[in-house]
Amino acid sequence: AQKITQTQPGMFVQEKEAVTLDCTYDTSDQSYGLFWYKQPSSGEMIFLIYQGSYDEQNATEGRYSLNFQKARKSANLVISASQLGDSAMYFCAMRESGRGSNYKLTFGKGTLLTVNP
Amino acid sequence: DAGVTQSPTHLIKTRGQQVTLRCSPKSGHDTVSWYQQALGQGPQFIFQYYEEEERQRGNFPDRFSGHQFPNYSSELNVNALLLGDSALYLCASSLGVVDEQYFGPGTRLTVT
Repeated sequence: AQKITQTQPGMFVQEKEAVTLDCTYDTSDQSYGLFWYKQPSSGEMIFLIYQGSYDEQNATEGRYSLNFQKARKSANLVISASQLGDSAMYFCAMRESGRGSNYKLTFGKGTLLTVNP
Repeated sequence: DAGVTQSPTHLIKTRGQQVTLRCSPKSGHDTVSWYQQALGQGPQFIFQYYEEEERQRGNFPDRFSGHQFPNYSSELNVNALLLGDSALYLCASSLGVVDEQYFGPGTRLTVT
């Protein structure tokens, strides 16, 4: 089974509007972390936001927020007030911390976001 | 504050050859992880180095090996290159194995 599933290969949004990128995950660990990264065409992975499995509040970082629904095992990224520079690939990733895990990041296949002017 | 740097930026090799990729971690970081990202896919974990030892390894053959130096910089070596090794190779550094990882710009390897 896929550990991280991103069901949207591509998304389009108008500049200044909000957009939600979906991510569901699968783990039996009680302690884990969820990450979102942005990858522009240059290739560098840029860290956006982190949510720990024990965090009771949804993480926020500027225009980015993470809609964490633990029971549904989803960790959707919300980008508010989209900008042209937000056009990029977005990856959801998980780091498991249970016995036998190795703290590696497991990534989804990504969602290509295009912001239209 | 210097971020993660990788060299070279691009590399073209022939099947059967060997390649070495280099990574310098972000200032203050002591752990380096390597990932392979094939075209259209998310990155896949190769291995992680901490205190000059390979601490964790993903599902990659022994053709993939690495090294970490006393200054925390790291090398990724791939022997007997296959066409399927063509990918973007990303290095990420962190402070310890648990801390969040910061990625470098990657090395794009093409095997012909």
